[in-house]
Amino acid sequence: SQQGEEDPQALSIQEGENATMNCSYKTSINNLQWYRQNSGRGLVHLILIRSNEREKHSGRLRVTLDTSKKSSSLLITASRAADTASYFCATDARNQAGTALIFGKGTTLSVSS
Amino acid sequence: GAGVSQSPRYKVTKRGQDVALRCDPISGHVSLYWYRQALGQGPEFLTYFNYEAQQDKSGLPNDRFSAERPEGSISTLTIQRTEQRDSAMYRCASSSAVETQYFGPGTRLLVL
Repeated sequence: SQQGEEDPQALSIQEGENATMNCSYKTSINNLQWYRQNSGRGLVHLILIRSNEREKHSGRLRVTLDTSKKSSSLLITASRAADTASYFCATDARNQAGTALIFGKGTTLSVSS
Repeated sequence: GAGVSQSPRYKVTKRGQDVALRCDPISGHVSLYWYRQALGQGPEFLTYFNYEAQQDKSGLPNDRFSAERPEGSISTLTIQRTEQRDSAMYRCASSSAVETQYFGPGTRLLVL
């Protein structure tokens, strides 16, 4: 079963625009992570935000976490064609480190030049 | 190695055959995870190890699936008597004491 649900399922934007993807989850978490998957390639870890954090930045990425609403958002600013990929949120479902990640179905982002 | 490696990258097999998928984690990583990803879906947890101990195998779909990590490093996921529904991308990940999991390139399995 999948815990996270990303929204929207697909997003098409122009280069230079910002892209926002949302993720909702169901159970309590220790942390939430975002991953990127380019077509036909592996999953790349982007950023991890802990349950006691509300916002985190990494380069052009900004992640927010609202544990009261059980939701997170990923903002990519000044998007580039190379950002075209599927983006997944993943949560750890249990209260200990070294446990399985529960992934959502992903948002497919297409950035055109 | 620099990252998680998996072999083979592609495996085509006939229904009823057994397959063994290998994962070589990042050196020193304690935890190793197996996931399965169907087309258009996110990865789905199968099982994981801390060192050589299998901590959780609740995601294995049935008893045709098994995994081992005998020396706490390389792991093998074995699927016996493969069925067409087993066709998917099988992904391995490893992590150290912190939570970030690093994924390998995956093995794409096609059962004919």
